[in-house]
Amino acid sequence: NAGVTQTPKFRVLKTGQSMTLLCAQDMNHEYMYWYRQDPGMGLRLIHYSVGEGTTAKGEVPDGYNVSRLKKQNFLLGLESAAPSQTSVYFCASSYWDGANYGYTFGSGTRLTVV
Amino acid sequence: GQQVMQIPQYQHVQEGEDFTTYCNSSTTLSNIQWYKQRPGGHPVFLIQLVKSGEVKKQKRLTFQFGEAKKNSSLHITATQTTDVGTYFCAGDQTGANNLFFGTGTRLTVIP
Repeated sequence: NAGVTQTPKFRVLKTGQSMTLLCAQDMNHEYMYWYRQDPGMGLRLIHYSVGEGTTAKGEVPDGYNVSRLKKQNFLLGLESAAPSQTSVYFCASSYWDGANYGYTFGSGTRLTVV
Repeated sequence: GQQVMQIPQYQHVQEGEDFTTYCNSSTTLSNIQWYKQRPGGHPVFLIQLVKSGEVKKQKRLTFQFGEAKKNSSLHITATQTTDVGTYFCAGDQTGANNLFFGTGTRLTVIP
């Protein structure tokens, strides 16, 4: 099992450009998440999905869009990149049996917007 | 909104010393989880605490959940260089599988 795979691992964008980050999981998890990590601010939730075809906003959703067309994939889009979106982006997935769960994270995408 | 605060932000210890990080929530949590992130790596799930006053151990690591389910701690006994990394707590207020992460404690172990 590969777990959670993120592509690309690194990317440099110019201000105003668009891009899509791909997250794929092979664990049949229902829940998937996108977080961003900035120095001194921990992990902040951007968007999440509780199942195929569903998405919801997290703590910092502005400037991002997501789609969950297939259960195993969760895409994060930046329509018009801004320097404030320079960050490390982590995707995560989890199972949930109603009581116990844990998140499995991908290895991250380091994005720089110049 | 929900906030999860973690202290200290940084901790340097000599190898063999103990280490503790504390996590405090502004609201009652349904459960709290702990993650470890090695330098340059991604967060890795360590443990979940659900019950009030719960204590769990993993080898040299001891995790506690407060009686009011608003705070938690992670204690490492006799640190080793392999313990280096950032430790995050993450709380779930609603029980709906939606975690808010603390700002993390970065542990440095001096050989």
